[in-house]
Amino acid sequence: TVMTQSPDTLSVSPGGRATLSCRASRSVRTNLAWYQGKPGQPPTLLIYDSSARATGVSDRFSGTGSDTDFTLSISNVQSADFGIYYCQQYNDWPFISFGPGTRVDV
Amino acid sequence: QLQLQESGPRLVTPSETLSLTCTVSGGSVNSEVDYWGWIRQPPGKEMEWLGTVYYTGTSYINPSLPNRVTVSVGPATNQFSLTLSPLTGADTATYYCARADTESDPVFDVWGPGILVTVSS
Repeated sequence: TVMTQSPDTLSVSPGGRATLSCRASRSVRTNLAWYQGKPGQPPTLLIYDSSARATGVSDRFSGTGSDTDFTLSISNVQSADFGIYYCQQYNDWPFISFGPGTRVDV
Repeated sequence: QLQLQESGPRLVTPSETLSLTCTVSGGSVNSEVDYWGWIRQPPGKEMEWLGTVYYTGTSYINPSLPNRVTVSVGPATNQFSLTLSPLTGADTATYYCARADTESDPVFDVWGPGILVTVSS
């Protein structure tokens, strides 16, 4: 399953809202996760099952979608939210695939 | 608290074999609910799943890397490993090991810090 993401880059002002999109080449139901990546650090799991927040993740992060179209929203964007956000399908577990990422600049 | 740590060479020669090990602490590779994976990210490029292994030794490899990747449990207790060959410059990347807890959704929720491996002569 091929994952695509848009936009490539998103610039958001502090306090604003970011909306990131992820599309699967075929239905992955809700077996979709979102990760945040920062330079020099491993990715951090944010969302799984399309909309469930991982332990300790702020409720400013929310995920929606099913089948082929998914959205990650970040409300009240803060400077620490910069990074590259990746979606990843696990409908074909254990054969997983990542999207190319959306870079968020704050 | 579960922690993972990658180890291995940071500079390898083209055409040779890369061997990396992930050491698990605060948990057990022999857990019946956990799967152990390898993911890499070339500089400035996308993340790529390489393979995943279960404590029984059953492994799953990215079909885009036929006959190049092996993932296994060991060599020591609470370790799992990756081998990749033959190497080219395109294999220069940060390599991560990670855990997927299948008691919930099978997502990689714990990652090692990563190891940057450069393939160069």
